[in-house]
Amino acid sequence: AAGVIQSPRHLIKEKRETATLKCYPIPRHDTVYWYQQGPGQDPQFLISFYEKMQSDKGSIPDRFSAQQFSDYHSELNMSSLELGDSALYFCASSLTGLPEAFFGQGTRLTVV
Amino acid sequence: AQKVTQAQTEISVVEKEDVTLDCVYETRDTTYYLFWYKQPPSGELVFLIRRNSFDEQNEISGRYSWNFQKSTSSFNFTITASQVVDSAVYCCALSEGVGGGSNYKLTFGKGTLLTVNP
Repeated sequence: AAGVIQSPRHLIKEKRETATLKCYPIPRHDTVYWYQQGPGQDPQFLISFYEKMQSDKGSIPDRFSAQQFSDYHSELNMSSLELGDSALYFCASSLTGLPEAFFGQGTRLTVV
Repeated sequence: AQKVTQAQTEISVVEKEDVTLDCVYETRDTTYYLFWYKQPPSGELVFLIRRNSFDEQNEISGRYSWNFQKSTSSFNFTITASQVVDSAVYCCALSEGVGGGSNYKLTFGKGTLLTVNP
C-alpha cells in the first residue's frame, strides 16, 4: 500500500540558509500534519492542513511557513535556519473524519 | 491542556519475556483518542493502534495487547513473548480532536525505549 512520501530524506544546510521539505500524503488523504522531533525528544506538532486550508497551528516559528497544494501535497518552508532547527521533521496524513494519522519516514535536517 | 506521560524511559528484557509499557494521559475532553506508535532505529513512526474514549474494550493483535482504563487514565501496551525485532521506541499519543476530519493533532509522550536482548 502507498505510504506517506517525504523528500528529501536527509538535508544538510548552513545557518541562515533556507530549506524546503516536501510531503506527499497517502492517496485520497486530505489532511496533512507536520511535526518536529528534536534529538531525544518527542514529536511536537507544528501545523496542519485540511483541504488546502490551514486547520491548526502549533509551536511553529515565524521563520517557517507551510502550505498544501491542490494535489494535497504539502511543503514546509524554513528560512534563516538556526542550529536548533536540526531535527527530524515528520509529515503525517489522514483521511477525513478519521483520527489516525500515518507518518512518513521523516526528513532529517542538519543545520551546520 | 492535554498531557501524556510515559514514566518508563528505558526497559530492557530478554527475548521471550513479556513486557508492559505504561501510558497515563490527561485531558479535559470527554471525547478523545489514544494511540501507540512504534519508532524503530530507522526513525519512522509506525501506527500500531487507536482507541476511542468511548470504547474501553481491550484489544489483542497477535503478540500485542492493549489495556485501556478510563478510571485510571491509562492505556498500557503489553508485548507477549518479546522478540529482538520488537526493539524500538514506543510512543503513546493523545488526540482530543474536533471532528470533521480537520484536526486531530497528536500530543506525544516522551517514549519508552525497549531493548530486547537475545
